[in-house]
Amino acid sequence: QLQLQESGPGLVKPSETLSLTCTVSGGSITSTIYYWGWIRQPPGKGLEWIGSIDYSGSTYYNPSLKSRITMSVDTSKNQFSLRVSSVTAADTALYYCARLWYGQLDDWGQGTLVTVSS
Amino acid sequence: QSALTQPPSASGSPGQSVTISCTGTSSDVGGYHYVSWYQQHPGKAPKLMIYEVTRRPSGVPDRFSGSKSGNTASLTVSGLQAEDEADYYCSSYAANNDVLFGGGTKLTVL
Repeated sequence: QLQLQESGPGLVKPSETLSLTCTVSGGSITSTIYYWGWIRQPPGKGLEWIGSIDYSGSTYYNPSLKSRITMSVDTSKNQFSLRVSSVTAADTALYYCARLWYGQLDDWGQGTLVTVSS
Repeated sequence: QSALTQPPSASGSPGQSVTISCTGTSSDVGGYHYVSWYQQHPGKAPKLMIYEVTRRPSGVPDRFSGSKSGNTASLTVSGLQAEDEADYYCSSYAANNDVLFGGGTKLTVL
């Protein structure tokens, strides 16, 4: 049973960098079939794909966020990470990590709320 | 890169069927067989209900079915039950490994 768990600070100051990590258990992040992704959901709003990464570190980012996004993978820890720079209140959201196959997300973490506020 | 278009709300009585549409373009929904649907109950993570347009993951009731015609995909929930009341999101694979989501549809069981 694959499990994903997000971790990171719940509060980030405006203009600073948001950093989250997703730890994968019950399966290997080095699978050549799957990508690993981040999705966010502002309070009361819909889902937004942030980006995806594969085990080799190849990344695909949402064009609207691309200039502020960095994703990385650590296969030794079975983890992948997200950094969002220059955050504003608009980046306040529930952040989910998930496993993807051709854009289809079959396993999700429980989500972690990140609030941008001074 | 525009979001996919879903109706904001849908409703039906227990036992009835309801269909939710998801409209994209030939560059996403119409161009690939990788359309998926997610159910999200309040305070919970989304759950995959349909993938590859029509396929159901193990454990998803066969009351849930998917289809696609041109640039529009649809999710049909038959034999509505109270527990089906939730938000539903469609998603499509797009070029360059992009992922698009619909704005979500709130399904109310009357």
